[in-house]
Amino acid sequence: DTGVSQNPRHKITKRGQNVTFRCDPISEHNRLYWYRQTLGQGPEFLTYFQNEAQLEKSRLLSDRFSAERPKGSFSTLEIQRTEQGDSAMYLCASSLAGGFNEQFFGPGTRLTVL
Amino acid sequence: GEDVEQSLFLSVREGDSSVINCTYTDSSSTYLYWYKQEPGAGLQLLTYIFSNMDMKQDQRLTVLLNKKDKHLSLRIADTQTGDSAIYFCAESIDNSGNTPLVFGKGTRLSVIA
Repeated sequence: DTGVSQNPRHKITKRGQNVTFRCDPISEHNRLYWYRQTLGQGPEFLTYFQNEAQLEKSRLLSDRFSAERPKGSFSTLEIQRTEQGDSAMYLCASSLAGGFNEQFFGPGTRLTVL
Repeated sequence: GEDVEQSLFLSVREGDSSVINCTYTDSSSTYLYWYKQEPGAGLQLLTYIFSNMDMKQDQRLTVLLNKKDKHLSLRIADTQTGDSAIYFCAESIDNSGNTPLVFGKGTRLSVIA
């Protein structure tokens, strides 16, 4: 399967713990996006990369959140000191840069903070 | 900032047409999109329309764009039970076609056999 993959698919953690999610984009895609989706809402943009450069961060991305894409391939999203409000589906998407290019979404990582 | 509004629910009978409506606020959006989300599956791009177009047709799907009213609609002809899903309208945060998207809350389409 050459689509976008995300790991883990599910994560349950206790409040105050740190969690890290991984996204593997489609191999030739140089743009990678993170979104968050809560129940009954549409996805909300968090941050995105072109190669290893982080181009933009949403106001939603508090200081407890950090994202990296060290070699311009896979990306990690870390949440420190998780709160119950962080419970959501975290979606990753990738695309080629330049002009119009479809964003392909992964299946998401569902985070539950107890 | 950008905002996208959609009605939350739509129920239709199998074989009828479905029309899902959306309004958006950013008049500079160059591309507008319709995504489909089925339970347990990732978001799938159904279709998109460039802002200089009024209409785009792709098999059973017809997209209508009214730039003056900032209104976008998706018509699904001959709706099937397999079309039951959540449909999201989205716009780009700037005027290119390759930047982060702003999504509506989604319209849950239920198809009654």
